[in-house]
Amino acid sequence: SQQGEEDPQALSIQEGENATMNCSYKTSINNLQWYRQNSGRGLVHLILIRSNEREKHSGRLRVTLDTSKKSSSLLITASRAADTASYFCATVGGSYIPTFGRGTSLIVHP
Amino acid sequence: NAGVTQTPKFRVLKTGQSMTLLCAQDMNHEYMYWYRQDPGMGLRLIHYSVGEGTTAKGEVPDGYNVSRLKKQNFLLGLESAAPSQTSVYFCATRPTAATEAFFGQGTRLTVV
Repeated sequence: SQQGEEDPQALSIQEGENATMNCSYKTSINNLQWYRQNSGRGLVHLILIRSNEREKHSGRLRVTLDTSKKSSSLLITASRAADTASYFCATVGGSYIPTFGRGTSLIVHP
Repeated sequence: NAGVTQTPKFRVLKTGQSMTLLCAQDMNHEYMYWYRQDPGMGLRLIHYSVGEGTTAKGEVPDGYNVSRLKKQNFLLGLESAAPSQTSVYFCATRPTAATEAFFGQGTRLTVV
């Protein structure tokens, strides 16, 4: 069963807008990771945030983590058509096995 | 430096046939994983390995076997393929337990 669950399942925005995706999970974690998957390709790691961190940035990406609410969010600022992809969160708990959610499908219209 | 390479990329099997999927990595990573990805289901863990010579079951291991005889290779076997095993299979590796994963490009398997 999936540990993390992304919300929304699908998101459609215009180029230049911000995109926000959320991930909720059920049990305690060691860290939480976000990945991108372009159509027909493998997953690519974006950001890892540890359980004692609250926010991390990488370029146009901003990830927050609220362990009290067991939730994380991924914000992509100034979206581009090339950001069109599926985005997955993966939680890593005591077993150290990455457990993935079902993903959010993002479409950015030019 | 190829990273994580999966072989083959596509395959069509008849029900009852067997096959082996190969995952090869050149990053000297200890941890290797096999996931399957189905529409609406995300990625589900089939089997994993925490080092050469070790394997363990994941969330959906039935119908699959694995071997990790060499550190760089992780093989996934289907002894008697079933239509329910139609999926896209991904191999992933990690250098240590708490780091990010590196994925192969996937193997698209269809069982008819």
